[in-house]
Amino acid sequence: DAGITQSPRHKVTETGTPVTLRCHQTENHRYMYWYRQDPGHGLRLIHYSYGVKDTDKGEVSDGYSVSRSKTEDFLLTLESATSSQTSVYFCAISESWTGGTQPQHFGDGTRLSIL
Amino acid sequence: AQTVTQSQPEMSVQEAETVTLSCTYDTSESNYYLFWYKQPPSRQMILVIRQEAYKQQNATENRFSVNFQKAAKSFSLKISDSQLGDTAMYFCAFMKQGRYNNNDMRFGAGTRLTVKP
Repeated sequence: DAGITQSPRHKVTETGTPVTLRCHQTENHRYMYWYRQDPGHGLRLIHYSYGVKDTDKGEVSDGYSVSRSKTEDFLLTLESATSSQTSVYFCAISESWTGGTQPQHFGDGTRLSIL
Repeated sequence: AQTVTQSQPEMSVQEAETVTLSCTYDTSESNYYLFWYKQPPSRQMILVIRQEAYKQQNATENRFSVNFQKAAKSFSLKISDSQLGDTAMYFCAFMKQGRYNNNDMRFGAGTRLTVKP
């Protein structure tokens, strides 16, 4: 299994509070991703990173920010959480493209509930 | 933008029988990859099988095989000899090929498969 650790695994918080989710990898992969999973939508990309301090927006980035100060850590921040951000959040990693398939490998997810 | 459609929200199959999950996608790319991921109740995302679009031969991994129809943009998953442990949500995913594509993947909404004893 790919060495990906998400923390926390579960979190309950209140609307308007800041929340930070952490993804830590031990694989030294270049790319890291944050997805959210909601019923009827599958997984949707929030933000991704293609290197230290290099990030870009995904499909559903509004209300989220990310930071990557080290290769191994990718943080997802909800500056002021809203109930619509209640979801399961997955981190994924993949290696640089060197030809052939480079599937993403996923962490175990964080269940976030915003009341 | 690429879109992935899984038209079967839920399916069920008897243990030991065969089931096929459907997936269609929309793209103007000619080179890409397709994947099936399995998500059991444990919530892990597990890669089941992958297919390179330039390969005509359908991928096979033990009891799992795909029927890749590039012209029809169809990528179905066949599970043979279904087992109780195959009960899970299955996601079809698309990824463009290329050095500068950041390995960005697009997922379908998923099919929930239940294997009945």
